[in-house]
Amino acid sequence: DGGITQSPKYLFRKEGQNVTLSCEQNLNHDAMYWYRQDPGQGLRLIYYSQIVNDFQKGDIAEGYSVSREKKESFPLTVTSAQKNPTAFYLCASRDPGASYEQYFGPGTRLTVT
Amino acid sequence: GENVEQHPSTLSVQEGDSAVIKCTYSDSASNYFPWYKQELGKGPQLIIDIRSNVGEKKDQRIAVTLNKTAKHFSLHITETQPEDSAVYFCAFKTSYDKVIFGPGTSLSVIP
Repeated sequence: DGGITQSPKYLFRKEGQNVTLSCEQNLNHDAMYWYRQDPGQGLRLIYYSQIVNDFQKGDIAEGYSVSREKKESFPLTVTSAQKNPTAFYLCASRDPGASYEQYFGPGTRLTVT
Repeated sequence: GENVEQHPSTLSVQEGDSAVIKCTYSDSASNYFPWYKQELGKGPQLIIDIRSNVGEKKDQRIAVTLNKTAKHFSLHITETQPEDSAVYFCAFKTSYDKVIFGPGTSLSVIP
């Protein structure tokens, strides 16, 4: 089965701790994305990567960091600098040479208390 | 800035009725308009998309219409079924390949 996996589905952290969300894809897609979803606000782009070892900030990158050392992996770190980290985080990938369709993972719900 | 307005934010219909969701976008240069469906606890999934060179596209019970002059596009679901209940997001691709998503419409189909 090809697809995108995100783990864990639920994540709980104490305020002041960094936390890393996993995103893995076996679709052989070059582009990968991280979105944050809050009620009534749709999907907001945090970071994206068009190719291995390269990534760009999205609209709400402050307090987040990413790496893209492998094509299939695009982990997102939520740092203690993120003022309101509790949210649902979605990872997506795309084959830029094929279509504009983004394939989404099942998401990780992060709760910081 | 770049944004897309989506209405209504919530929609309830009786099973078998039609549902219509409307979006207005900001980038007149945009040429790609997807619609995504997100079921509870899952990631969004593309259900239909339209490019700017056509005004309407159909796929079984769902259709999308595009009015480039007015910068409007709409999703139409006919003969709604309970499994159509979900959150629907419209989106558009900007002139530099970024996708902007609308705030979503929560559709409930009442059996």
